[in-house]
Amino acid sequence: NAGVTQTPKFQVLKTGQSMTLQCAQDMNHNSMYWYRQDPGMGLRLIYYSASEGTTDKGEVPNGYNVSRLNKREFSLRLESAAPSQTSVYFCASSPRSPSTDTQYFGPGTRLTVL
Amino acid sequence: AQSVTQLDSQVPVFEEAPVELRCNYSSSVSVYLFWYVQYPNQGLQLLLKYLSGSTLVKGINGFEAEFNKSQTSFHLRKPSVHISDTAEYFCAVSDQGNYKLTFGKGTLLTVNP
Repeated sequence: NAGVTQTPKFQVLKTGQSMTLQCAQDMNHNSMYWYRQDPGMGLRLIYYSASEGTTDKGEVPNGYNVSRLNKREFSLRLESAAPSQTSVYFCASSPRSPSTDTQYFGPGTRLTVL
Repeated sequence: AQSVTQLDSQVPVFEEAPVELRCNYSSSVSVYLFWYVQYPNQGLQLLLKYLSGSTLVKGINGFEAEFNKSQTSFHLRKPSVHISDTAEYFCAVSDQGNYKLTFGKGTLLTVNP
């Protein structure tokens, strides 16, 4: 039981390049999330998926797109990376309700945009 | 709209000393409250959560927190800390029907020998 896995662990991009961050969970959870963590800012929600086939914007969605490929996988895409997107990205999942359920986090992807 | 304020960005303590990490929230409706811990270079994991019932909540690793509705606080405490408790601690709030968990900015707890 691996929990929540993320790939890659580290990535360096040049401004304007694109990339996709992958996330998968093996806990049969319905809800999945993408957050970014910046120093002194806590975690901010980028996108959220309540179930397979549905996605919703979070607090900071600009510059990102997501795909809930199936129940297990939730990917985050940067179409044209900008230095402001340098951050640590965390994927998380929860059984169902984001209000009351514990969220389980992956180990993170550290992204640098030059 | 809900928000969370963690009053201390850094808390240095000596090993075996007690510690309190402070968290205040604002929300117009009934809330659910969480504390998560992040060890260096890892993701977050749940320490404890308050959904309803007893206002004193016990979590993992000897931590506990008390929900105080009148003071809109959810402070985290541990009577005796260990070096291994060195980590960043995040308070978070949500409410019924809300898809979003709002996190505070975090408190870095450093336990010194």
